Amino acid sequence: EAGVAQSPRYKIIEKRQSVAFWCNPISGHATLYWYQQILGQGPKLLIQFQNNGVVDDSQLPKDRFSAERLKGVDSTLKIQPAKLEDSAVYLCASSLGDRANEKLFFGSGTQLSVL
Amino acid sequence: SQQGEEDPQALSIQEGENATMNCSYKTSINNLQWYRQNSGRGLVHLILIRSNEREKHSGRLRVTLDTSKKSSSLLITASRAADTASYFCATDQSNAGNMLTFGGGTRLMVKP
Repeated sequence: EAGVAQSPRYKIIEKRQSVAFWCNPISGHATLYWYQQILGQGPKLLIQFQNNGVVDDSQLPKDRFSAERLKGVDSTLKIQPAKLEDSAVYLCASSLGDRANEKLFFGSGTQLSVL
Repeated sequence: SQQGEEDPQALSIQEGENATMNCSYKTSINNLQWYRQNSGRGLVHLILIRSNEREKHSGRLRVTLDTSKKSSSLLITASRAADTASYFCATDQSNAGNMLTFGGGTRLMVKP
């Protein structure tokens, strides 16, 4: 079974530039998550999709972050414009259903450095 | 803010010893999960324990849950160098829909 795919693996940009991350979840998984993990901390949920609808985006900084999941499969997360404090690893995860008692499968993440 | 807080933040042991990590949380939960993260990688699910369960085992892992104290512990027995990783608890809060909230993690180093 193929895992959650993310690209790029690393990205270095200057502040005020824009950046986009891509995620392809495990085939058949209805729920997709984007987490932000700052160095030394646990992952923080940014947005949760069920199929192509948003379930929770309460912690997404909507003035600069946007995400979409077209056709209920792969997803993109965009930051525009980036700030220094956005430097983090952006993790995508998926789960089969929409219940929080299901285990999440994570990709390897995109490490973003904002200079 | 994070729901779960792990203790200790860092732990260093010798191969063969047992490692115990604790997680405390603030509000009532439906279930609690533990994940492992190797350096530079994504998280991997280890075990899930429901709010009506007190103990669960999986191989060398033993998880306990005390809902009266709002705490959980993860015990890794006979540790190996390959167990070196960060370990996170994640809670599904009863009043937060389907959102899973992660703690800050315990960084475990197992010396060969």
